Amino acid sequence: QVQLQESGPGLVKPSETLSLTCAVSGYSISSGYYWGWIRQPPGKGLELIGSVYHTGGTFYNPSLRSRVTISVDTSRNQFSLNLSSVTAADTAVYYCATLLTHFDYWGQGILVTVSS
Amino acid sequence: QSALTQPPSASGSPGQSVTISCTGTSSDVGNYNYVSWYQQHPGKAPELVIYEVSKRPSGVPDRFSGSKSGNTASLTVSGLQAEDEADYYCSSYAGNNNYVFGTGTKVTVL
Repeated sequence: QVQLQESGPGLVKPSETLSLTCAVSGYSISSGYYWGWIRQPPGKGLELIGSVYHTGGTFYNPSLRSRVTISVDTSRNQFSLNLSSVTAADTAVYYCATLLTHFDYWGQGILVTVSS
Repeated sequence: QSALTQPPSASGSPGQSVTISCTGTSSDVGNYNYVSWYQQHPGKAPELVIYEVSKRPSGVPDRFSGSKSGNTASLTVSGLQAEDEADYYCSSYAGNNNYVFGTGTKVTVL
């Protein structure tokens, strides 16, 4: 059973960089899957931020592309999200998930608030 | 890339059926059989209930079924139970490794 766990700061100041890590257990990242980041602003719907393949290939949502970096660390079996120049609009629950043709395994999510 | 369109709410009594629509375009729902559905209870992460239009993951009751016609996909929950009350989101592959989500539907069991 694949398990994912997000970690990182729950509070980020405006204009700074949001950095999150997703630790994967029960499965080796190197074995396959795409690995995705999805976010959900309070009371709103889901949005794909981007995804990364175990070889390092990435996809970024065009609306966030200029601010997003997603990377994979196969030695630590984890992948990471960096979102730069954040504003209050980036306040959301951030989820990591496995991605094939669908998102089948999800982390529990982490609330990140952007505020000074 | 616009979100897929879902009705904001749907409801039914216990034992009844409810169907949720998910309307996209010929660039996403209409072009790929990679539509999936997620159930989300308050404060919880989404859970996959249907993938590739009509396939059910192991452990998901057969009360959940999916279909697609043209640019619109649908999720039907038959024999509604209290625990089915949740938000439901559709998602579709949109090409070039991009996936788009629906606007979400709140299902209420009356």
